Amino acid sequence: AQSVTQLGSHVSVSEGALVLLRCNYSSSVPPYLFWYVQYPNQGLQLLLKYTSAATLVKGINGFEAEFKKSETSFHLTKPSAHMSDAAEYFCAVRGGNEKLTFGTGTRLTIIP
Amino acid sequence: EAGVAQSPRYKIIEKRQSVAFWCNPISGHATLYWYQQILGQGPKLLIQFQNNGVVDDSQLPKDRFSAERLKGVDSTLKIQPAKLEDSAVYLCASSLDRGNSPLHFGNGTRLTVT
Repeated sequence: AQSVTQLGSHVSVSEGALVLLRCNYSSSVPPYLFWYVQYPNQGLQLLLKYTSAATLVKGINGFEAEFKKSETSFHLTKPSAHMSDAAEYFCAVRGGNEKLTFGTGTRLTIIP
Repeated sequence: EAGVAQSPRYKIIEKRQSVAFWCNPISGHATLYWYQQILGQGPKLLIQFQNNGVVDDSQLPKDRFSAERLKGVDSTLKIQPAKLEDSAVYLCASSLDRGNSPLHFGNGTRLTVT
């Protein structure tokens, strides 16, 4: 079985501040991990994915995430928040032949 | 490339009525998914097709939900009869294959059951 836990359903940061969205996973096999972003009234868009290559993964819009096996974590970061980053972010895991399982999401608000 | 197309964008129906959603995936994508996203939750997979065959429908409420993918391209998802708890956004996604190709999502259909 596999699962994802996203800590914090709402996160607020000031414009220009560090963005940190937390994701912990559980998987009985080496996982593939993903971060998706969802803007209002739109579908999900892939930000980045980890597929067992480099542990630090760079994605679109300046986001990156680091796979830490010892902590079973895959936190999403961005050095400097921009107003356009306001959205909902979903972490997802897929282990072996399992289907893609999403977390419950974190809504990111940017304070001007 | 053109993205995943879904229609309608919004639908309001009364409970016990029926409704259908349509999805056109990205050209060449063999795998098609239907997800249900209830407000405040992450998307939940309802059904996955590989070409026109069903790969996983373990979380599809088969007493009221049905889906088909004719000729391995377009797909329709139907609910009959609808219940209040079916109010959600229904997302269609497609990917090149069943592996770890990224999923491309449509904008979804927001269903409200009154």
